[in-house]
Amino acid sequence: GAGVSQTPSNKVTEKGKYVELRCDPISGHTALYWYRQSLGQGPEFLIYFQGTGAADDSGLPNDRFFAVRPEGSVSTLKIQRTERGDSAVYLCASSPYEGLAGGHIQYFGAGTRLSVL
Amino acid sequence: AQRVTQPEKLLSVFKGAPVELKCNYSYSGSPELFWYVQYSRQRLQLLLRHISRESIKGFTADLNKGETSFHLKKPFAQEEDSAMYYCALSTNTGGFKTIFGAGTRLFVKA
Repeated sequence: GAGVSQTPSNKVTEKGKYVELRCDPISGHTALYWYRQSLGQGPEFLIYFQGTGAADDSGLPNDRFFAVRPEGSVSTLKIQRTERGDSAVYLCASSPYEGLAGGHIQYFGAGTRLSVL
Repeated sequence: AQRVTQPEKLLSVFKGAPVELKCNYSYSGSPELFWYVQYSRQRLQLLLRHISRESIKGFTADLNKGETSFHLKKPFAQEEDSAMYYCALSTNTGGFKTIFGAGTRLFVKA
């Protein structure tokens, strides 16, 4: 498959549990983004990776949220002590690096729908 | 702070009519602006970006720095244009944080 893959597609968990959401970017894409989308809203930026490092994590709402990309490819978004307010669709996007002069075209996955009961 | 505003949640037009989806932004630097589209049961995908100055599927968008706007226009709407449209702004200083608007649902009636 050539697209961005996110697993699982749906995740139901109980309040207080820990969850991990996985994103497989398009091969060769150095940039990776995580977003959260609540009903009726646009995607909300969480974190941006360039390679293995988090270049901008200013969108993570609190310290319960953490993301890693240890080998510069697959990324995992981790949420500790989930709350009902964390219920949303979590989107991942990857992008080829085009330098500062280029507009970063982002290729999106289908998302993971997280439901916290 | 960076912000993207799409004032219309829903826009309904007849087939063949002109359409304009509004987008205003707030950013102190030089922004990169995009329109993304999500068709029914499909992923979010890029429609166009201001840096390319291109027309995609008959849509165009012009960056107006004076009015801080990036409105999306099409002279003759088609039924297949019905979708959710998101305006997005990427900062280009250091990281590439991207801010999306809340989206406008376009419904083109036959």
